[in-house]
Amino acid sequence: TQLLEQSPQFLSIQEGENLTVYCNSSSVFSSLQWYRQEPGEGPVLLVTVVTGGEVKKLKRLTFQFGDARKDSSLHITAAQPGDTGLYLCAGDRSARQLTFGSGTQLTVLP
Amino acid sequence: NAGVTQTPKFQVLKTGQSMTLQCAQDMNHEYMSWYRQDPGMGLRLIHYSVGAGITDQGEVPNGYNVSRSTTEDFPLRLLSAAPSQTSVYFCASSYSLGYTGRNSPLHFGNGTRLTVT
Repeated sequence: TQLLEQSPQFLSIQEGENLTVYCNSSSVFSSLQWYRQEPGEGPVLLVTVVTGGEVKKLKRLTFQFGDARKDSSLHITAAQPGDTGLYLCAGDRSARQLTFGSGTQLTVLP
Repeated sequence: NAGVTQTPKFQVLKTGQSMTLQCAQDMNHEYMSWYRQDPGMGLRLIHYSVGAGITDQGEVPNGYNVSRSTTEDFPLRLLSAAPSQTSVYFCASSYSLGYTGRNSPLHFGNGTRLTVT
């Protein structure tokens, strides 16, 4: 059983559309991180959210941490082909281990 | 800056063979870890180290050994490879996974794709 469930697993959209990716858990996390991974490379950090209810924006990407710190979402406005990649959420319950979700593979078609 | 360097990039092993995946970082990070990535499973933690001479098990440690003799290097050893160990392996480091719960971001290498036949 995956501790962090991401949905959808796959998403294929047209350039210019909006989308939301979800990261859900029954556990409370001290913080949650979002990473993006491109083929043949390791994941790269996009953002860390720490406070329940926190919203962070990174250009067209908006990240939100749930009030109870059990879930998070990533919203992309006006998606572009350069947004294509595998999006991973990762939460920390213990100080020494990050738990990753199963990932959302996003494809943005031109 | 090199960051986190993993070698080799690709490896094919026969069942029962042993090998070591190399990982080196030049950022003076205290924390280093090994993950495996399988389709639909995300990244699963194999072993981690919070400093030279200190290692601990993660979520899926069976079949793998690690050691941390220096701050820079954290090799992963497969003692007797099995087909179930076919995966992409990532090494990652962090300045500190501290005790406040606000983990430092992980810096990943580009992975080693391992196939066991």
